[in-house]
Amino acid sequence: DAKTTQPTSMDCAEGRAANLPCNHSTISGNEYVYWYRQIHSQGPQYIIHGLKNNETNEMASLIITEDRKSSTLILPHATLRDTAVYYCIVRIPTTSGTYKYIFGTGTRLKVLA
Amino acid sequence: GAGVSQSPSNKVTEKGKDVELRCDPISGHTALYWYRQSLGQGLEFLIYFQGNSAPDKSGLPSDRFSAERTGGSVSTLTIQRTQQEDSAVYLCASSGLAGVSYNEQFFGPGTRLTVL
Repeated sequence: DAKTTQPTSMDCAEGRAANLPCNHSTISGNEYVYWYRQIHSQGPQYIIHGLKNNETNEMASLIITEDRKSSTLILPHATLRDTAVYYCIVRIPTTSGTYKYIFGTGTRLKVLA
Repeated sequence: GAGVSQSPSNKVTEKGKDVELRCDPISGHTALYWYRQSLGQGLEFLIYFQGNSAPDKSGLPSDRFSAERTGGSVSTLTIQRTQQEDSAVYLCASSGLAGVSYNEQFFGPGTRLTVL
């Protein structure tokens, strides 16, 4: 199974961009990269996903390297409410036509006032 | 319902007892996932169901763990003869087939299980 590696923790000043890296060097060509975040005591929340092109939505941007071995989640203007654990995940298609999501241990982002 | 719901929210049990955890997915979602999250750790995949296909049980840690999904909707995760290492938050998620929601898992609030 493809796996992800993330830094354990990061700090970011409020209002600045938060750049969260992820390594997924064993990813296969048909495996998507997903990002979720988990705010204390809540279930994980979807942020964004991509395959090989960079993606942007109202929450964040996802930059995927050309070789797809790493990616970066960018929160353009971090707020205190963005303090959470951020998970970089590989979605693996199965032979039954469905998907399996492999979560790593995540990066604990702390946004500082 | 509006989202994924799980019950109970908290469960305290004695070692050796059986427990059942329930998940109500979002109506119409065909995929349902169970995860376990130990204190300070990431999510550990346990099992998932997709429509009428055979469930993928590859993440279940032992034969004390089992899960069912009745009528393609509600799911129950059963842990027999609980051990202290089973203490964790058990999270359920569902995902649908239509439009943008197809790729997104919606998580419930979890059940916090404590085995004494």
